[in-house]
Amino acid sequence: SYVLTQPPSVSVAPGKTARITCGGNNIGSKSVHWYQQKPGQAPVLVIYYDSDRPSGIPERFSGSNSGNTATLTISRVEAGDEADYYCQVWDSSSDPRGVFGGGTKLTVL
Amino acid sequence: EVQLVESGGGLVQPGGSLRLSCAASGFTFSSYWMSWVRQAPGKGLEWVANIKQDGSEKYYVDSVKGRFTISRDNAKNSLYLQMNSLRAEDTAVYYCARIIYSTDPDLFFDLWGRGTLVTVSS
Repeated sequence: SYVLTQPPSVSVAPGKTARITCGGNNIGSKSVHWYQQKPGQAPVLVIYYDSDRPSGIPERFSGSNSGNTATLTISRVEAGDEADYYCQVWDSSSDPRGVFGGGTKLTVL
Repeated sequence: EVQLVESGGGLVQPGGSLRLSCAASGFTFSSYWMSWVRQAPGKGLEWVANIKQDGSEKYYVDSVKGRFTISRDNAKNSLYLQMNSLRAEDTAVYYCARIIYSTDPDLFFDLWGRGTLVTVSS
């Protein structure tokens, strides 16, 4: 089955840029979607189809995907960005299934 | 307001059953694939099941196949998850999620409910 690998944690100072990676075999051939989850809340979609932003998501959030790594980039990080972030793909093999990465805790120092 | 509201969670003994419901409002429920996603305490997200608009296609994660059944009632704008033979490892918050589906095929979850907690324990 397809596996997505994320670093457990990333730390960044306010105003700096955070990059959260999502690794997978030839992930560049798939579409990657990203979710933000704050404590006690439901996940929120922040990036879809590798780099598109839903309405209401700040332009500070961007995404890229190539080779074996997809990346969520958060520019000018704010305290309110502190959350868990999950990448997701749909594995459309003979046994279709949804796949989430293990999640990355973003800490704003 | 566009929203999803789950209900039906609670405490159940191992081997028991539970039926979760998800009430959709503010959008045309019958036009969307729908899904259940769960999150064990302190753990990450795990996709559980998907269902097509008319219920003709369903997909499940291996760990729940044969035990869980996803269904929907478009007349009632409702999604369901019948959970049988529950195990301790099924303990989680269960989220209902709306799917945006493309014909690649590919999909993502653009709207989530607040979740309902299922605890399997004796």
